[in-house]
Parts: sequence; C-alpha cells; structure tokens
Amino acid sequence: ILNVEQSPQSLHVQEGDSTNFTCSFPSSNFYALHWYRWETAKSPEALFVMTLNGDEKKKGRISATLNTKEGYSYLYIKGSQPEDSATYLCAPSGTYKYIFGTGTRLKVLA
Amino acid sequence: DSGVTQTPKHLITATGQRVTLRCSPRSGDLSVYWYQQSLDQGLQFLIQYYNGEERAKGNILERFSAQQFPDLHSELNLSSLELGDSALYFCASSVAVGDYGYTFGSGTRLTVV
Repeated sequence: ILNVEQSPQSLHVQEGDSTNFTCSFPSSNFYALHWYRWETAKSPEALFVMTLNGDEKKKGRISATLNTKEGYSYLYIKGSQPEDSATYLCAPSGTYKYIFGTGTRLKVLA
Repeated sequence: DSGVTQTPKHLITATGQRVTLRCSPRSGDLSVYWYQQSLDQGLQFLIQYYNGEERAKGNILERFSAQQFPDLHSELNLSSLELGDSALYFCASSVAVGDYGYTFGSGTRLTVV
C-alpha cells in the first residue's frame, strides 16, 4: 500500500516566523516530486516539480529540497505571511504516480 | 483562471440518480486526471486519460466511468448515486504523461441528498 506521509498535519505560526514541513515517500522507482499549494475554496496550484537528488527549488520566500535516496522532501517558508495560509500537498511521481499526500495545513496568524 | 474549466460548479441530486461532470483541459494539454475529495479526506485519484485513451486507474468505483473525447474534453459519469458520493470532484490537466505539473480546475461540488 502506498504511503505518502506529510507532517505535521497542521501548523499554526506567527507572522514573520519561518517554518518547514516534510513529505515522505517510498523512494523506489521514483521519478519526480511535486509540491502544490491549496488555498481554501480554491483549487491546488503547482509550486515545484523536483527530479534530482539534492535538487533545490525556490520561489520567492518558499523553497524546497529533495532527497531521493531516503525518500523525503522539505518545504521551507521564510518569514511567513498570512497569505501563505493554505494546505501544502506533495505528490511523488513514479510507481506511485498521481497519488497526493494528505497535506500540511498551515495557518499564519497576523 | 487556470485554463481548466469544470462544469457545473455545483450539483445537487438525489440518491440513485446519474450525473455527468465535464472538464475542458487547458489549451495544449493532452492528459486529463480526475480526483475526488470527500469531507476531511485528501485528493483521491480516480482515473487518467491521455489523448483519448485511458492510461491509469485509481480507486474508481464501478458505478463511475469516464471518457475523453476527440476535442480532449473529458466527462466523468457517476451513476446509482449514494450519499457517500457527495464530494468535490477535481479535474486536472497536464501537457503529457510524465513529470509535468498538473493544472487544476475549480472543481464540481456534488451533493447527494
């Protein structure tokens, strides 16, 4: 049974705090790791597609790293803002294509 | 606007009925995916089509079926509806099969009463 785990399930931080969360996935037959941002009442929006071990992507204050050998990815948000409040989803591609993790729900308090 | 169009946005129907959800992918995208999000659940993969052909199947019930037409739009048919089928149904598209990010539509909220 596929297990894509994201932790923590939810997170409350103060505005200005930096934060990070984890996506863990089976590393066998792995091709890529996708991160999505999902705001309430909207649809998921692609953030990053990561393919290489040691790959690091950055988009403004958000960055992500990937470890394909051990099967995890970290998403970092620097200086969190209220508009960063959303659910962050990861989805590995490969044997387990199209499967999304259950997400980390981030709430940034002003 | 993501470029992926889903209709209708909301649908309320009775148990035992049949409904059709429609998705038009982003221009140039050949692959369409359907996902279901039930209350307090994550996105559950249902089915994927690429250029008119079924390419992958997830946890799709036998009462559900889908197809992709020559103009690349896709329809998800849900029949013999049960209360538990109430959910948000998302369509997503990508340019091809592979390591491409998905573009999601805004979803169809189905309520079965």
